[in-house]
Amino acid sequence: EAGVAQSPRYKIIEKRQSVAFWCNPISGHATLYWYQQILGQGPKLLIQFQNNGVVDDSQLPKDRFSAERLKGVDSTLKIQPAKLEDSAVYLCASSPGSIIYGYTFGSGTRLTVV
Amino acid sequence: AQSVTQLDSHVSVSEGTPVLLRCNYSSSYSPSLFWYVQHPNKGLQLLLKYTSAATLVKGINGFEAEFKKSETSFHLTKPSAHMSDAAEYFCVRGGYQKVTFGTGTKLQVIP
Repeated sequence: EAGVAQSPRYKIIEKRQSVAFWCNPISGHATLYWYQQILGQGPKLLIQFQNNGVVDDSQLPKDRFSAERLKGVDSTLKIQPAKLEDSAVYLCASSPGSIIYGYTFGSGTRLTVV
Repeated sequence: AQSVTQLDSHVSVSEGTPVLLRCNYSSSYSPSLFWYVQHPNKGLQLLLKYTSAATLVKGINGFEAEFKKSETSFHLTKPSAHMSDAAEYFCVRGGYQKVTFGTGTKLQVIP
């Protein structure tokens, strides 16, 4: 079974620039999550999709972050404009449905904002 | 509020000695609980999960955890630590509500 694919692996941008991350979940997984992990902290949920609908985006800074999941498969997360405090690893995860099954994480995208 | 508490931010053990990483949860019902491991500069890997079946759960790499409802605990153990176990470990609560991560425990293994 192929894992969760994320790209790019690393990205360095200047503050106020925009950036986008891509995630391809495991085939057939209905639920997709984006997490932000700041160095030294645990992952923080940004947004959760069920198929192509948003289930939870309560911690997504909507003034600068946006995410979409086209056709209930791939997803993109965008930051515009970026701030220094957005430097973090952005993790994508997917699960078959209910979280009781656990979920599989991608390797993440490490974003550095300078 | 539903929460997960990892009682130790850092644990240091000698190679070959037992590992104990502690996790307590608060919940009004039996949650789904998971342990994930994150090696430096790597993604998160599922070690094991509890979903209201057997209370003693065996995972990968010799790890296991026991769900104790009376103590609201889900501690992670391994009989003998290996150098490759050095990583950060997260206790995670799932279920039908928001997923909650613990703050993580960094495990150091001393040769």
